[in-house]
Amino acid sequence: GIQVEQSPPDLILQEGANSTLRCNFSDSVNNLQWFHQNPWGQLINLFYIPSGTKQNGRLSATTVATERYSLLYISSSQTTDSGVYFCASGDYKLSFGAGTTVTVRA
Amino acid sequence: KAGVTQTPRYLIKTRGQQVTLSCSPISGHRSVSWYQQTPGQGLQFLFEYFSETQRNKGNFPGRFSGRQFSNSRSEMNVSTLELGDSALYLCASKQEYEQYFGPGTRLTVT
Repeated sequence: GIQVEQSPPDLILQEGANSTLRCNFSDSVNNLQWFHQNPWGQLINLFYIPSGTKQNGRLSATTVATERYSLLYISSSQTTDSGVYFCASGDYKLSFGAGTTVTVRA
Repeated sequence: KAGVTQTPRYLIKTRGQQVTLSCSPISGHRSVSWYQQTPGQGLQFLFEYFSETQRNKGNFPGRFSGRQFSNSRSEMNVSTLELGDSALYLCASKQEYEQYFGPGTRLTVT
């Protein structure tokens, strides 16, 4: 199956900083999604972004399907942005990366 | 619209027992998928149900099974529990392309 590589594995930010998370895919990108896992374990949908760029508040995402990667941008980070971020691709079966653990310090 | 719901949220079982987890999808969604999340293996696909039929299956032993009812609610069952089955079990519902996840059931096997 498709392999998903997320980088960096860990990210420590000062409140107000900007950051970029990256996902690389070993095969064609399909129905790419970004999630934020909250402390209780629920995966919260951030973006459905099979291609192009989308923005939602301080978050934005870009997928370049032809080059098999996607980026998630966090601007003016807040402590509530802390958590694990996952990207995933697939039809019926989502293949997930290992996640990026983001810690935002006040 | 109400989101995906899962019950119970927490469960403690002993080795050898069996367990049934329940998932109610978003209204109108007919596809329900199940995933297992562990620290060692990450998020792994278990199976997908659509219109009461298992449409796809991941690489898990036969102790893991599931079903879907006519109202799209789904259950998964794990028989003869092992310590390694301790995990967060997430279900997701889908209408077209985007999957939406429930809060999960955290299963601890002792």
